[in-house]
Amino acid sequence: GDSVTQMEGPVTLSEEAFLTINCTYTATGYPSLFWYVQYPGEGLQLLLKATKADDKGSNKGFEATYRKETTSFHLEKGSVQVSDSAVYFCALSDQNNNNDMRFGAGTRLTVKP
Amino acid sequence: GAGVSQSPSNKVTEKGKDVELRCDPISGHTALYWYRQSLGQGLEFLIYFQGNSAPDKSGLPSDRFSAERTGGSVSTLTIQRTQQEDSAVYLCASSLVSGGGTDTQYFGPGTRLTVL
Repeated sequence: GDSVTQMEGPVTLSEEAFLTINCTYTATGYPSLFWYVQYPGEGLQLLLKATKADDKGSNKGFEATYRKETTSFHLEKGSVQVSDSAVYFCALSDQNNNNDMRFGAGTRLTVKP
Repeated sequence: GAGVSQSPSNKVTEKGKDVELRCDPISGHTALYWYRQSLGQGLEFLIYFQGNSAPDKSGLPSDRFSAERTGGSVSTLTIQRTQQEDSAVYLCASSLVSGGGTDTQYFGPGTRLTVL
């Protein structure tokens, strides 16, 4: 079945460092891909998404490109801030699989000043 | 407008008791999902409702877990004969499923279940 595998955490970076959180997926069809974020003490919220191959989702300085050839959707940010400390979840929704949503295990990011 | 709401926000119960968790999705959203988030773990998919279709129950961990969605709106997740390993935050999400695929999921605040 459909699944998402993302980089295990926790990840600890210094402020202004470059961030990459890897995410790969397995799907039978052509899924939409998402990154969700959970800030401390808050609920899950959408960070960005891409609905077809080669699309780039971006928000708050974060970017991720839908790579069909490598079945990946890696999250990147050029310069992280302390306020980016959160848990990041990669997810997919497969239209050919009844639009079921599947999430990765989450990656905890801590940014130190 | 109102977001996804869940009740109760916290539930403490004794092992062996049954519990019911409620989710009110965003009005008009046809898709509703239940997830479980255990301490330090990721999101575990439990069940998915889409319109009038048969729900996808493939994520339910045992037959002690069941869920209903009445009238295509409110959903109730029931856990019978609770066990300590059922302790977790139970999250509900809804989305507006268009013909072109799934729209963004909006999450509720969750119900924190503690089984003593």
